[in-house]
Amino acid sequence: SQQGEEDPQALSIQEGENATMNCSYKTSINNLQWYRQNSGRGLVHLILIRSNEREKHSGRLRVTLDTSKKSSSLLITASRAADTASYFCATRASGGSYIPTFGRGTSLIVHP
Amino acid sequence: ETGVTQSPTHLIKTRGQQVTLRCSSQSGHNTVSWYQQALGQGPQFIFQYYREEENGRGNFPPRFSGLQFPNYSSELNVNALELDDSALYLCASSPSPSGRAVETQYFGPGTRLLVL
Repeated sequence: SQQGEEDPQALSIQEGENATMNCSYKTSINNLQWYRQNSGRGLVHLILIRSNEREKHSGRLRVTLDTSKKSSSLLITASRAADTASYFCATRASGGSYIPTFGRGTSLIVHP
Repeated sequence: ETGVTQSPTHLIKTRGQQVTLRCSSQSGHNTVSWYQQALGQGPQFIFQYYREEENGRGNFPPRFSGLQFPNYSSELNVNALELDDSALYLCASSPSPSGRAVETQYFGPGTRLLVL
């Protein structure tokens, strides 16, 4: 079963615009991670945020976590055509499974 | 490039056959996980190996089995293939002092399996 669910399922924007993707989950988590996948290839780890953190930055990426709402968002600023990919959130539940559980992903298309 | 390699890249099998997929972990990584990703879905955890022992398993039947070797490379075996087994199979390696609390995983490019 899917623990995290990304929203929207698909997002189409112009180069230079910001892209925001959201992830909602059901149970308490230890951490939440965002991954990127190009054209059905392997996933690339982008950023990890722990349950006691509220915001993290990495280059053009900003991730927020609201544990009270069981949600996270990934913001990509000043998007580029090369950002075109699928983005997944993965949660690691607290007090139990240590295996990350992935959502279905958001497909992002950035038009040049 | 993560340093994780998988072979083959593509594979076509018929229903009822058996398949073996291989994964070479990134150097120094003692933990490997396997995922199945159906088209349009997120990766689903199959199982994880730590120092040659399976230490976690997802909701997959016993016909999905694996091995991890002393050099930490790994195999995924699927017996009695079904049409629904068609998917991208991903392995991911990570360094872990105990095989638990796996956080950042480094994924290989995947093997795309088509079952006819």
